[in-house]
Amino acid sequence: DSGVTQTPKHLITATGQRVTLRCSPRSGDLSVYWYQQSLDQGLQFLIHYYNGEERAKGNILERFSAQQFPDLHSELNLSSLELGDSALYFCASSVAEYDYGYTFGSGTRLTVV
Amino acid sequence: GENVEQHPSTLSVQEGDSAVIKCTYSDSASNYFPWYKQELGKGPQLIIDIRSNVGEKKDQRIAVTLNKTAKHFSLHITETQPEDSAVYFCAALRGGGADGLTFGKGTHLIIQP
Repeated sequence: DSGVTQTPKHLITATGQRVTLRCSPRSGDLSVYWYQQSLDQGLQFLIHYYNGEERAKGNILERFSAQQFPDLHSELNLSSLELGDSALYFCASSVAEYDYGYTFGSGTRLTVV
Repeated sequence: GENVEQHPSTLSVQEGDSAVIKCTYSDSASNYFPWYKQELGKGPQLIIDIRSNVGEKKDQRIAVTLNKTAKHFSLHITETQPEDSAVYFCAALRGGGADGLTFGKGTHLIIQP
């Protein structure tokens, strides 16, 4: 167990729907990063939050959004889902705002049908 | 932005032999290069990392080398064991680290008994 908790582990939903993925970082970690892993694109950085504030954006679609709450857990919201959004979504956490060592959770597998 | 190329995509070695995975990066501002191991159904796990002011780092059977001039870095695993079978990812991080990691596409390492 890495200490980073992601729920749910699996999610199946229909095109056009909206889902929310949840991440609880390791105790003491203030940074949360979201990554998408797909067969064709590999592991891609989506967004980084530090202590409740957005710090950097990667290849995140406008249909996707995220937030980090005062208790430091984070949610990734995916809307108007398309078949191509099917992927593994990972959350990672680290202690500092500018940090090097990430700890990844075990991911949420999203299947859009 | 940064681009990380990783080779080979699949590597099969006999148990006890050595394995080498190579990566190149494009952004000379990148200064941190981690390697992750991902087993089936799990998130990536950091196994070793190196910063740009260091040429080589070892941790038991695992070593990483960095050639900043050529912009490439390599993972070396000696005396391979069955539990080394997994997908390995290299990554690069630029500057202060607020931006996410840029990952290679991964190498599926197969240890033949």
